[in-house]
Amino acid sequence: DTGVSQDPRHKITKRGQNVTFRCDPISEHNRLYWYRQTLGQGPEFLTYFQNEAQLEKSRLLSDRFSAERPKGSFSTLEIQRTEQGDSAMYLCASSVPGTGHSYTEAFFGQGTRLTVV
Amino acid sequence: GNSVTQMEGPVTLSEEAFLTINCTYTATGYPSLFWYVQYPGEGLQLLLKATKADDKGSNKGFEATYRKETTSFHLEKGSVQVSDSAVYFCALSGPASGGSYIPTFGRGTSLIVHP
Repeated sequence: DTGVSQDPRHKITKRGQNVTFRCDPISEHNRLYWYRQTLGQGPEFLTYFQNEAQLEKSRLLSDRFSAERPKGSFSTLEIQRTEQGDSAMYLCASSVPGTGHSYTEAFFGQGTRLTVV
Repeated sequence: GNSVTQMEGPVTLSEEAFLTINCTYTATGYPSLFWYVQYPGEGLQLLLKATKADDKGSNKGFEATYRKETTSFHLEKGSVQVSDSAVYFCALSGPASGGSYIPTFGRGTSLIVHP
């Protein structure tokens, strides 16, 4: 297994267009997270899946954002009617559940850098 | 909810200097604590972790000790190298309100090491 894979690595789009990103997690990981990162900031949580179920979405997440994980494997993140403020690095991460009181680390992909012009 | 606060950067050091990056956290219960490193244009890589109080995580000469009494997890390295230049993120994972276990990250501290 080569780790978490994200596609594309870079995306330039015109304002108002829709974009879709893909994430392939590590195969045995049932948890999948999407984060957004802007320059000089830490990863900001967007949404979380456990298997195919989307269990949590950030309250800050616009209705223009939607995510799916149809078979509990890969996931897609779609942004509709993109705005310049959507320009950021979009990170995907996956993990397994911890045991007892130990919570496991998230493994990150290399991210998709979105530029909205 | 859970949160992580880490010192602002950039931290600028000469090669072989001692490094400390402070991190404190607020969390429910007993989270696990992590330090991640991010090189330019890359995703985050796990550097080290600690899962219970007084545990010391270590990797590549970096160390951090889980201090529950001060809710801290400061990152240290005795002698930094130019290749350590990167952004370092403190993070926690543990129970949050509503029962979720979403990893929470600090804002990151940029480290610049000069030869």
